Amino acid sequence: DTVLTQSPALAVSPGERVTISCRASESVSTLMHWYQQKPGQQPTLLIYLASNLESGVPARFSGSGSGTDFTLTIDPVEADDTATYYCQQSWNDPWTFGGGTKLELK
Amino acid sequence: EVKLVESGGGLVQPGRSLKLSCAASGFSFNDYWMGWVRQAPGKGLEWIGEINQDSSTINYTPSLKDKFTISRDNAQNTLYLQMSKLGSEDTAIYYCARDGDGGYVMDAWGQGASVTVSS
Repeated sequence: DTVLTQSPALAVSPGERVTISCRASESVSTLMHWYQQKPGQQPTLLIYLASNLESGVPARFSGSGSGTDFTLTIDPVEADDTATYYCQQSWNDPWTFGGGTKLELK
Repeated sequence: EVKLVESGGGLVQPGRSLKLSCAASGFSFNDYWMGWVRQAPGKGLEWIGEINQDSSTINYTPSLKDKFTISRDNAQNTLYLQMSKLGSEDTAIYYCARDGDGGYVMDAWGQGASVTVSS
């Protein structure tokens, strides 16, 4: 299975720029997607195909990368962005998720 | 508005079976692949599998293939997950999700059904 590795946690101040990384154990082309999950809620799609913003998602969110290295950027970070962020690949079967990065606001 | 509502969760004894349902509305259900994802308490997301529009193709994560079965009823706009030989490791919230246009990303999720396996 394709293993996706994310840093476990980050802490930033409102107004700052934050980048969340995701590294794949093998190439996933650009079939990498990002989800946000707030406590007690279901995940919601933020970015699909590495860099495409899902409809209704604020333009503060952006994604980049291809192959094995991907990033999710939030600029500027707002208090409401407190959540866990997951990357997910659909290039290789089975689909797999990263372990999640918990974003906390200082 | 796209809406996915899971049901059928609850407390089940080890070794027993349970079937979850996911009622879909707000979109043409029979035009989309659908799938299931689970999340154990305090843990990350785990993809279970997906089913195509006419049920001719069903993909599973290998570790769950022998105990979970995904099916759908397009006339009822409902997705199912049959789980058998349940163990404590299957305690989780189970989400159904729609695979968006192209079938490569989960663009809509239900609120989840909680399953607890315990004696």
